[in-house]
Amino acid sequence: QKEVEQDPGPLSVPEGAIVSLNCTYSNSAFQYFMWYRQYSRKGPELLMYTYSSGNKEDGRFTAQVDKSSKYISLFIRDSQPSDSATYLCAPSEKAAGNKLTFGGGTRVLVKP
Amino acid sequence: DVKVTQSSRYLVKRTGEKVFLECVQDMDHENMFWYRQDPGLGLRLIYFSYDVKMKEKGDIPEGYSVSREKKERFSLILESASTNQTSMYLCASSASSGSSYEQYFGPGTRLTVT
Repeated sequence: QKEVEQDPGPLSVPEGAIVSLNCTYSNSAFQYFMWYRQYSRKGPELLMYTYSSGNKEDGRFTAQVDKSSKYISLFIRDSQPSDSATYLCAPSEKAAGNKLTFGGGTRVLVKP
Repeated sequence: DVKVTQSSRYLVKRTGEKVFLECVQDMDHENMFWYRQDPGLGLRLIYFSYDVKMKEKGDIPEGYSVSREKKERFSLILESASTNQTSMYLCASSASSGSSYEQYFGPGTRLTVT
């Protein structure tokens, strides 16, 4: 079993819909939870970062962490075609000098 | 803006060749990383370095080595390329303090070994 699991998709939604992305993980030591976005033919870039359990909102994006069930979510409200990308969850045990463990990524396609 | 550059976007090599992938960052970051990315497997860590001349194995170091002679440069070496090393290779860097959780990635090198 992989340490971090993600549904690979693709997830196709109409413009304006809510996109819901999920990750599950097995390592209880993970405390920092990152979401990276990767456009085609580009390197990943950090989208959101959450420490421990709880919610974090940034504009149209909301990240949720439930450490008790080892479940990570990312929601995109009012999705736009420019949100079409692969989304990778990446938990880490610590912040400094962090080693990230990436999920396989979920490809999202937002259709106009 | 942080910039991480990689020496080539596309590379085609033959089986058995020695391959060098170069990565340079311009933000004076202490940490540098090499990943490979394959469909369905996500990014897997090959090697990382916390300082000049320091290196640590990641999850899949077999068949690879690295070199970090200068802080800004981190090289990945395939001693004898094999077809199962055909992949997208991504370099990243991060600071050791402050927002050190954020890794900045280069655009990637797509390596094909024939």
